[in-house]
Amino acid sequence: AQKITQTQPGMFVQEKEAVTLDCTYDTSDPSYGLFWYKQPSSGEMIFLIYQGSYDQQNATEGRYSLNFQKARKSANLVISASQLGDSAMYFCAMREGGGQGGSEKLVFGKGMKLTVNP
Amino acid sequence: DTGVSQDPRHKITKRGQNVTFRCDPISEHNRLYWYRQTLGQGPEFLTYFQNEAQLEKSRLLSDRFSAERPKGSFSTLEIQRTEQGDSAMYLCASSLTGGHTEAFFGQGTRLTVV
Repeated sequence: AQKITQTQPGMFVQEKEAVTLDCTYDTSDPSYGLFWYKQPSSGEMIFLIYQGSYDQQNATEGRYSLNFQKARKSANLVISASQLGDSAMYFCAMREGGGQGGSEKLVFGKGMKLTVNP
Repeated sequence: DTGVSQDPRHKITKRGQNVTFRCDPISEHNRLYWYRQTLGQGPEFLTYFQNEAQLEKSRLLSDRFSAERPKGSFSTLEIQRTEQGDSAMYLCASSLTGGHTEAFFGQGTRLTVV
């Protein structure tokens, strides 16, 4: 079963507008972490934001925030005030087990391409 | 530069040849991961080390693949008898131990098997 689903293959947004990138996940483990990474054309995966399954509040990091809806198993990334440099592939990922004896691997979605237009 | 470093950045090899990639993690990170990414897909986990111990291997890691991390510092990933299906980006990442710590990735090695 696919653990991370990113259904939007690509999105376009105008510079300075906000954009939401969708991510749904599937796990039976009560302890897990959700991550978003950005991959520009250079290929490097850049960590953006993390949300723990037990975190009470939605994570925020600068212009990035995570809309975490546990019951719906969704972890959407919101980018406020888009910039041209935000154009890249974006990947949602999950780590199960809370790092305590569980698998340490990240499971990634297929990603989605964001294009910011001037 | 104190980030994760991978070498080479690009490798073109003939089918059947052996190739070896190197990864230098962030110095204080004791965890090191290898992932493979094919075109249009997200990275897929291959294996990970904690210090010098290889603790988990994916079923994707066939017997032609071997990874080492001697002395718990840099790591190498070797592919023997390469096949065209091995063409991909090979990503290395490192992290600290404990809870939910993010992994920092290198820029990857792009392998093309001709």
